[in-house]
Amino acid sequence: QSVLTQPPSVSGAPGQRVTISCTGSSSNIGAGYDVHWYQQLPGTAPKLLIYGNSNRPSGVPDRFSGSKSGTSASLAITGLQAEDEADYYCQSYDSSLSGPGVFGGGTKLTVL
Amino acid sequence: QVQLQESGPGLVKPSQTLSLTCTVSGGSISSGGYYWSWIRQHPGKGLEWIGYIYYSGSTYYNPSLKSRVTISVDTSKNQFSLKLSSVTAADTAVYYCARVARPNLMVDYWGQGTLVTVSS
Repeated sequence: QSVLTQPPSVSGAPGQRVTISCTGSSSNIGAGYDVHWYQQLPGTAPKLLIYGNSNRPSGVPDRFSGSKSGTSASLAITGLQAEDEADYYCQSYDSSLSGPGVFGGGTKLTVL
Repeated sequence: QVQLQESGPGLVKPSQTLSLTCTVSGGSISSGGYYWSWIRQHPGKGLEWIGYIYYSGSTYYNPSLKSRVTISVDTSKNQFSLKLSSVTAADTAVYYCARVARPNLMVDYWGQGTLVTVSS
């Protein structure tokens, strides 16, 4: 059970907008630690999608955006495309765990 | 372009030690500014951070695995390694090595991953 909670699944039709939430607490997201998002296509390694809450690495389409407020963060995908079907993970740091960073449990995005 | 490549046995017997090495190319482990990390993914499950190491040798481990994990670095070979002792079937997973940026802990480069199966 991760300290960062994501919905197990979300879905949307091509062209639609979907959001994926990442809910934390006062010891992680709420403490001001950055949230990063990763996309994992089937059978591949995760890829950095959003870093520092809302920044896109070079090459990531602007259809992907991130935001953070209070103890939660969100990933939004607009203009949904078939190739966006993947697992998405949020990641941050938790000061109460005395270890490396923490990942959310992951969200499976299905493009209908 | 930084590249990471995991290597090591794909099959380990229960109670033995899992050993993996990550070779980094396109960048120096000693350059600073990054942690070098091991992350695993159980079949069909989410990502679990095992730990990471700085080039100086400082390590940070997942508390749930700390008693069994050792991560080390060999700057002369531009490699870092994972040892996980007393493995059981629950340690069967895809193991990724990765580069972690300081201080915000974003994982900006990943290896392709290697499946390690624990079975007799």
